[in-house]
Amino acid sequence: NAGVTQTPKFRILKIGQSMTLQCTQDMNHNYMYWYRQDPGMGLKLIYYSVGAGITDKGEVPNGYNVSRSTTEDFPLRLELAAPSQTSVYFCASTEPVGRGTDTQYFGPGTRLTVL
Amino acid sequence: DQQVKQNSPSLSVQEGRISILNCDYTNSMFDYFLWYKKYPAEGPTFLISISSIKDKNEDGRFTVFLNKSAKHLSLHIVPSQPGDSAVYFCAASHSGTYKYIFGTGTRLKVLA
Repeated sequence: NAGVTQTPKFRILKIGQSMTLQCTQDMNHNYMYWYRQDPGMGLKLIYYSVGAGITDKGEVPNGYNVSRSTTEDFPLRLELAAPSQTSVYFCASTEPVGRGTDTQYFGPGTRLTVL
Repeated sequence: DQQVKQNSPSLSVQEGRISILNCDYTNSMFDYFLWYKKYPAEGPTFLISISSIKDKNEDGRFTVFLNKSAKHLSLHIVPSQPGDSAVYFCAASHSGTYKYIFGTGTRLKVLA
């Protein structure tokens, strides 16, 4: 049981390039999330999904796209990278079976630098 | 608009003493609160949670207190250990959304 895995761990992009951050979970969780963490800041929700085929915007969705074709995978796409997207990106998943039990499991993060 | 605030960016505590981390929120719709711990170069890990129907939840050395009227929660760690040195985030959500708003974090340093 690997939990939540993210690839790559690190990436440097040039302005205007595109890339996909991969996220996979093996816990059969329906809910998945993408966050970014800027230095000295908390985690900001980018997008989330409540199941395959269903996605919704979070607090900071501009410049990103997501898809959810399977329960396991939730890739995050950056189409035209900008320096403001330099951040650490975390993927998380949970299976809410009732309040008091829904805790998110986080991946190790992807550190992205846009130059 | 920061709906969840952790006003102390850092805190240093002597080993064996109590660590108290604070969190304030502004949205009265929030009814579920969580604390996460984060080590460098790792993802956050869940620590403890509390529902708004309670004012206290305890798990070993960790206790979370919720004061709904003040919109304030705190995490107590007793006794503090050097391995507790990490960044602690509080997060909040309201029923049915399963969307979590995080605070900016407090870096705890436990001195041996």
